[in-house]
Formats: sequence, structure tokens, C-alpha cells
Amino acid sequence: DVKVTQSSRYLVKRTGEKVFLECVQDMDHENMFWYRQDPGLGLRLIYFSYDVKMKEKGDIPEGYSVSREKKERFSLILESASTNQTSMYLCATTRGSNPPNEKLFFGSGTQLSVL
Amino acid sequence: DAKTTQPPSMDCAEGRAANLPCNHSTISGNEYVYWYRQIHSQGPQYIIHGLKNNETNEMASLIITEDRKSSTLILPHATLRDTAVYYCIVRVYTSGSRLTFGEGTQLTVNP
Repeated sequence: DVKVTQSSRYLVKRTGEKVFLECVQDMDHENMFWYRQDPGLGLRLIYFSYDVKMKEKGDIPEGYSVSREKKERFSLILESASTNQTSMYLCATTRGSNPPNEKLFFGSGTQLSVL
Repeated sequence: DAKTTQPPSMDCAEGRAANLPCNHSTISGNEYVYWYRQIHSQGPQYIIHGLKNNETNEMASLIITEDRKSSTLILPHATLRDTAVYYCIVRVYTSGSRLTFGEGTQLTVNP
């Protein structure tokens, strides 16, 4: 089974701090994604990556950046955390971009609280 | 990606079939229907997907209407562990896995 590991289950940070959320996958998948999930808004795509050192903006990239230096690792960076970034963050991967390789595999999520 | 409409909540008795509907009236010819579910405090889990034909796997069955404007996910014998939020998603497979999730249906399986 694919394993998608997010570094922290719960994280508490202060406003203005730089925050790193790490995601590691063990199945050599090409594509990696960062979503955030908020009550009443569902899952929203922040950034995704199809290859090492490649990134594309999702639907809500403002206030975030990403880094993919190695194929297995995709990091989400909050340059200066704000209270409206308090959310559940979910990392996901897919093997490829065409059926049946486009199934999303999710990590368990990181609940980030910004105080 | 086409928009989907799902009921916000449904109940089902344990051991009975759970039938979860999804409307996707603006679906186009090359868009697949995907179903995922999210059990509380976990990441979403893939269930099944289809294009035109009905599909079945070890988790569920997917029935797609002939005009493809709606579909139904069937859990044949629901258990308490099937209590979760179920998401129906329609996307174009050539658009680079840009899946958009809606609010989904909260399915509660009652003993």
C-alpha cells in the first residue's frame, strides 16, 4: 500500500512565524498535492507538483509556497503564518495523470492552529 | 471541471444497502466520476471511479445513468465503519489531476 506520511498530526504556531509542513511518500509517485480543509468549504487545492523542482498553483495559493527538491518529499511553507491559515492540511499523491493512475492517496493530515 | 450536487446527509441501517446519489448535469464526454470517502479525522480514501459503464470493486458499486448526468454509489451491506463523508467528484483526466472536492454527503450508518 502507498504510504503518505505527514510530519506532524497537530501543530501550534504563532502569528508571523515561518511554518514548514512536510510530506513524504514511499511509492515513487509522480504527482504530489497540498489541500486545506475547512468546515463549510470542503477541500481546496493549494499547490501541486508533477515533478522534482516543478510546482503549479492550485485554487488558493496566496500566502503559501512549496518546495520539491526530491521526488518523495513535498513541503508546504507558510512564510508568515496568519490566523486565517488555521486549518487541516492534507497532502496527497497520484502515480500519474491518466486513469487508473490518477487515484489520490492522502496522508492523515496536519491540524495547524495559528495563534 | 463539472460541478456536482450531493445531499448533505443520509442515514442507513446497518446491514442494508446505502445508495448515495450525485448529480453532475454539466458533465462532458471525457469526464470521469470519482468517489472518495473521509472517515472522521482521517484523509480521504479512494473508493471507485467510472466513465460510462457501471463499475464494481470490493468496496462498492457505481451506477452511472445513460445520459451520464447522475450517478449512484452503492454500499451493498453497510456497516458502522462505513459512517463517513462521501465525495462525488467529476474531472477531466487530461487536466492534470486537478480534483475539486465539494461538501459531500455525511452518511451515518445506524445499528
